[in-house]
Amino acid sequence: QVQLQESGPGLVEPSQTLSLTCTVSGGSIGSRNFYWNWFRQPAGRGLEWIGRIYTTGITRYSPSLKSRVTLSADTSSNQFSLTLRSVTAADTAVYYCARDPTAMDSADWYVDVWGRGTLVSVSS
Amino acid sequence: QPVLTQPPSASGTPGQRVSISCSGSSSNIGSNYVSWYQQFPGTAPTLLIYSNNQRPSWVPDRFSGSKSGTSATLAISGLRSDDEADYYCAAWDDSLRSDDGLGNVVFGGGTQLTVL
Repeated sequence: QVQLQESGPGLVEPSQTLSLTCTVSGGSIGSRNFYWNWFRQPAGRGLEWIGRIYTTGITRYSPSLKSRVTLSADTSSNQFSLTLRSVTAADTAVYYCARDPTAMDSADWYVDVWGRGTLVSVSS
Repeated sequence: QPVLTQPPSASGTPGQRVSISCSGSSSNIGSNYVSWYQQFPGTAPTLLIYSNNQRPSWVPDRFSGSKSGTSATLAISGLRSDDEADYYCAAWDDSLRSDDGLGNVVFGGGTQLTVL
């Protein structure tokens, strides 16, 4: 059974770069059947989609974050990563990675496996 | 502000049937499929319904989804105390789909379900 686990620093200073990695076990991210997504959820608030990546490098980003976000994937280590630049306190949230079995630009989008999430606080 | 509109709260008694609505527009629910997620406090969301009305194998048939026009509904029958959680709807939004790498998944603000 596939499992996802987020990792990275729990504290980032304002204006710095937040970097998180999602390690996938029990399956290969290179599988042509899946895309890989990132989300975040500020405390007490709803879910926000950050973006998705296919291991060929195809990406889609949320328009509200596109100028600051880069997604990448490393099939050799079975990981995919999130980089968020110029962070502020508004970027404080639990960040989740998730598996997406749908096709790029399909009318049918959903994620079927989630990581447990990792809390990232932005503070000096 | 969430793009999809959900009631912030819903409630029911054990055994009752409860429905949670999710309202959108022609660029999201009106033209794309809806998924629903269940989230217990302090834990990650889990997939509840996909493709409007499909249940993953691990979800009991007490949970069902439907869509009509630009709205979707999650129904829970035979309500149980362990159904108490937050529920979110989501859909792809076409308004920003383009070749420059943009896309958008939109969520509802979530509905907190209380079992009385």
